[in-house]
Parts: sequence; C-alpha cells; structure tokens
Amino acid sequence: YVLTQPPSVSVAPGKTASITCGGKNLEHKSVHWYQQRPGQAPILVISYDSDRPSGIPERFSGSNSGNTATLTISSVEAGDEADYFCQVWDRSSEHPLFVFGAGTKVTVL
Amino acid sequence: QVQLVESGGGVVQPGGSLRLSCAASGFAFRNHGMHWVRQFSGKGLEWVADIWHDGTKGFYADSVKGRFTISRDNSENTLYLQMIGLKVEDTAVYHCVRERMTDPAFDLWGQGTLVTVSS
Repeated sequence: YVLTQPPSVSVAPGKTASITCGGKNLEHKSVHWYQQRPGQAPILVISYDSDRPSGIPERFSGSNSGNTATLTISSVEAGDEADYFCQVWDRSSEHPLFVFGAGTKVTVL
Repeated sequence: QVQLVESGGGVVQPGGSLRLSCAASGFAFRNHGMHWVRQFSGKGLEWVADIWHDGTKGFYADSVKGRFTISRDNSENTLYLQMIGLKVEDTAVYHCVRERMTDPAFDLWGQGTLVTVSS
C-alpha cells in the first residue's frame, strides 16, 4: 500500500497550511499524522483521521475522504516548521503492516 | 519521566550483526505493543518490526524478515532488536516506538540510534 505526500509546502505566518496524503480508498483506513521538528523524534499530532491527542493545539485538525486525507494547520507559527508524515495500518496484507508517507516539509516563510 | 532511550547503534561491515536496546521508563511498559521504525538519511520512515505487549508474537517488514529478531524483557522494561546479515541498505536511525494501548497509533518515540553498514 502506498501513501503519497507532496514534498514541500510553504506558508506565511498566521495563514493556513494544508498537507495532503493520498492512497487508494484511503477513506476506509484510519490515518495518523506525525510532526518531526529538526533534530527531534516524531510526535503524534492527529490520530484516527481527526482526533487530537492531549497537548496538541486546536490549530491542528485532520480529515479523510475518498482517496485523500488532509492535515490542516491554522494560524501557522514559526514553531510549526517541521516534516509531517501520514501513516496507516494496512490490514489487507497477510499480517498487519504499518505504512508511512514520504513526508512533507512545511516551511514557514 | 516518560521516555524511550535507544542504544547499541554503530558502524558495522556488510554481513555483520548488531543488537539494539531500548530502555523504557515512566509508564507501564508491559501494557504496550512496541515497534522499531527506521528513518533513512533522506528522512523517509519505514516500519521494521513489532511485538505484542506480552512478547508472544512479533511481525516483520519483508525487507528484514529472516535477518532481524524483535524481543522484549518486561521485567527490565527493555525492547531489543537483534540484527544479523546487515546490508548497506539497512543504514538508518532506528527508533523505538510505543503503540497506544487502545489502537495502533504511535504515541511515543525515542530519539533513535544510528546504524551504519559500510565496508
């Protein structure tokens, strides 16, 4: 199973960034999103398409429809500059597999 | 403090072996499935292996099956990854990752340990 993300997204401070993740019939899978700041380990920012874990700002939201899931960051701040990865749990294989997108680098202008 | 700390990485020749360790602290390690996820220098992430909370089952990516073995010691709060037959393409940072108790999302990551396979 393949997840496709744009390599990069640029956004001005205070504006909204949208990061897409494409996959066949993705709406039938649960999509998780991870943020990785430079030099740091990834952290979970959205689970099950649109749930925000405790401690994640409300500026982060997610959706999933058709073949595309989207992570939206509103009122972007300099600290949001990071790589963002989508991930699904693929149960169609002989055993469960965990698949990641290639990542999108968000640059705050 | 809730954390995962990996160790055991290093430089090894093709065909060599390494054993990675991950020390967990600050949470009930025995209640969580655990994973190894590797990250290549170009930033891409690849799931490597996972093990059930009780250690009774493990699963592997096709790229490492037959060469890597995941295990855990719940009495020591430690996760392991034994790697043999290493290849140049195994070069990556290896992250120890906790799976949430309720669903297969990765809610805690370690900083990782670098494995370099080179002659």
